[in-house]
Amino acid sequence: ETGVTQSPTHLIKTRGQQVTLRCSSQSGHNTVSWYQQALGQGPQFIFQYYREEENGRGNFPPRFSGLQFPNYSSELNVNALELDDSALYLCASSATSGFQETQYFGPGTRLLVL
Amino acid sequence: GQQLNQSPQSMFIQEGEDVSMNCTSSSIFNTWLWYKQEPGEGPVLLIALYKAGELTSNGRLTAQFGITRKDSFLNISASIPSDVGIYFCAGRGIQGAQKLVFGQGTRLTINP
Repeated sequence: ETGVTQSPTHLIKTRGQQVTLRCSSQSGHNTVSWYQQALGQGPQFIFQYYREEENGRGNFPPRFSGLQFPNYSSELNVNALELDDSALYLCASSATSGFQETQYFGPGTRLLVL
Repeated sequence: GQQLNQSPQSMFIQEGEDVSMNCTSSSIFNTWLWYKQEPGEGPVLLIALYKAGELTSNGRLTAQFGITRKDSFLNISASIPSDVGIYFCAGRGIQGAQKLVFGQGTRLTINP
C-alpha cells in the first residue's frame, strides 16, 4: 500500500468522448506524475504537477491535460478519445520534484476506448 | 528521445534458481530504479541507485548502477513463488528530472 489512490478503477468510453481520471497523493506529498501504460509495455511519462503547476511534459498531444488542487490531488483529462488511448493510467506521488525523489504509484485506472 | 532496452523480455525458471536481468540506454542517466508490478497493481519500488558504480541490496535482490551510467542490472537470488511478476527498470536523465523513462519489462515466471 503506497497511500496513493486512483478513481475510477475501470472505465469504458467511446471514441471522441472525454474522460477525467482522479488521483489522491500520499499524505505529505506535493508532486503528482501521470503515466500511460499500454498493454505489454512500460509506463510512459505524460506530465508532472508540482505545487499546482505543470512541471514537465512528455510526448503527448495537448488533448491530454491536467490539474492539481491545493490539497495536491490531481486530475488527468483526455479529450477527443482515440482507440489508442486504451491503456492503464498510473499516477505517482512524491514528496518533491527532483533527482532523488521517490515516486510511489497508485493501482491505476484501466481505460478502454471502443 | 531516451529509451531503455531491457532484457530478457521473459524468463521461465525453477524455484530456487537465481535470476539476472539488465537494462541499457543510449544516453546517460543520473538515477536508476527497479520496480516490480503485479496484476492489477501499480509498480512498486524495489531498489534505487544514485551513483555510478553503486551496488545496493534489498534482501535477496541486488542491483548495480553501471559505471558508464548507461546500464544497470538486477539480480534475484534463490527465487521463490512470490517473486513472480513483471520487473521494470527506470531511469532519470540529465534533462528532465521530473520524468522516469521505463524499460519494456521482464516477465518472471517460476515453476515450483
